[in-house]
Amino acid sequence: ETGVTQSPTHLIKTRGQQVTLRCSSQSGHNTVSWYQQALGQGPQFIFQYYREEENGRGNFPPRFSGLQFPNYSSELNVNALELDDSALYLCASSPQDRGGETQYFGPGTRLLVL
Amino acid sequence: EDQVTQSPEALRLQEGESSSLNCSYTVSGLRGLFWYRQDPGKGPEFLFTLYSAGEEKEKERLKATLTKKESFLHITAPKPEDSATYLCAVQAAQAGTALIFGKGTTLSVSS
Repeated sequence: ETGVTQSPTHLIKTRGQQVTLRCSSQSGHNTVSWYQQALGQGPQFIFQYYREEENGRGNFPPRFSGLQFPNYSSELNVNALELDDSALYLCASSPQDRGGETQYFGPGTRLLVL
Repeated sequence: EDQVTQSPEALRLQEGESSSLNCSYTVSGLRGLFWYRQDPGKGPEFLFTLYSAGEEKEKERLKATLTKKESFLHITAPKPEDSATYLCAVQAAQAGTALIFGKGTTLSVSS
């Protein structure tokens, strides 16, 4: 069984640029959630995708957007990067989420904005 | 407001010295409480899911328990390889399927 994978592992961008992060969900999972984890903090929920539709969003501005594809893989796009966007970005997959389902995390993408 | 508080922030133990980590939560309808282990620079690794007060789960040296207001992660006779940050998260009825995390407890076990 293949776990959650993310790419790239590390990324350096400058302020104002745009970035796309990618995630492949665990086999058999059709729900993908994205989280942002700043240094020394717990992960913060960005949004979730189920059946290619956004299915819940945290307190993040519209410049954070996403996509889910028919094979359940997902992208996180961030426009107009700010210094505070520097963080570990985590993708998590779960079976159809009716509430209470365990989310399994990938290794993360470390983004540094200069 | 739904929130999760973990204590202590950091814990140093000698190998074999048992202890407990605390996760206090305030949520409007608990759908599930989750424990994860996170090594530096890595993604969280799933440990346990608890759904109702009184529930307990065990895995090797770890045991998680749940009450109506808090959860404990008990570590029995820890080894240096248990050193990591332990994260607690809840899923609340009014927050949909998002996980709400605490800041974590960083555990260091020395030999």
